[in-house]
Amino acid sequence: KNEVEQSPQNLTAQEGEFITINCSYSVGISALHWLQQHPGGGIVSLFMLSSGKKKHGRLIATINIQEKHSSLHITASHPRDSAVYICAVTFGNEKLTFGTGTRLTIIP
Amino acid sequence: NAGVTQTPKFQVLKTGQSMTLQCAQDMNHEYMSWYRQDPGMGLRLIHYSVGAGITDQGEVPNGYNVSRSTTEDFPLRLLSAAPSQTSVYFCASSYQPYGVPTEAFFGQGTRLTVV
Repeated sequence: KNEVEQSPQNLTAQEGEFITINCSYSVGISALHWLQQHPGGGIVSLFMLSSGKKKHGRLIATINIQEKHSSLHITASHPRDSAVYICAVTFGNEKLTFGTGTRLTIIP
Repeated sequence: NAGVTQTPKFQVLKTGQSMTLQCAQDMNHEYMSWYRQDPGMGLRLIHYSVGAGITDQGEVPNGYNVSRSTTEDFPLRLLSAAPSQTSVYFCASSYQPYGVPTEAFFGQGTRLTVV
């Protein structure tokens, strides 16, 4: 079965801390997405990557194809980064498969 | 502004009622899909469409119907609402089917409660 596992499920940190959220998947993929969902809000695409590393502002996403693992990093975290971060992958020609999300809370 | 527009944002239904969740995108995307989000679970695919006139079932299609008469619109119909359909629903679109990596755009979600 194609599966996506995220860790941790919940993460609380102080403002300014470096944050890492992990995503592992079971078989080879064609692409991996990192999504952000604010409480009561919609879902926004942060990154889509199939290899290497991408950076946007304070957010960095990396993927290791051999280890079937991706990480989302947030530098200099801020309370406005508090949200649920969701990893999703496509396996071959199949549809998106989603992880259950990581709830991040940044305390001022 | 370009994007995916979902309506309504909130809805309460009585068991047995029917309703339609609206989804529209103005990015000329061929691929559109509906998901439901339940606590402790990842988003699950209900139905999807790879273009006007073409729809197919996803992982959890029972109790839902879709149609795609235009590229822009992809409504989701609940035929006879049940409490098990209480959930948050998201519509999404992308330029090409997910078999080819493309960015996904999501609507704001519809929080549906069936009593």
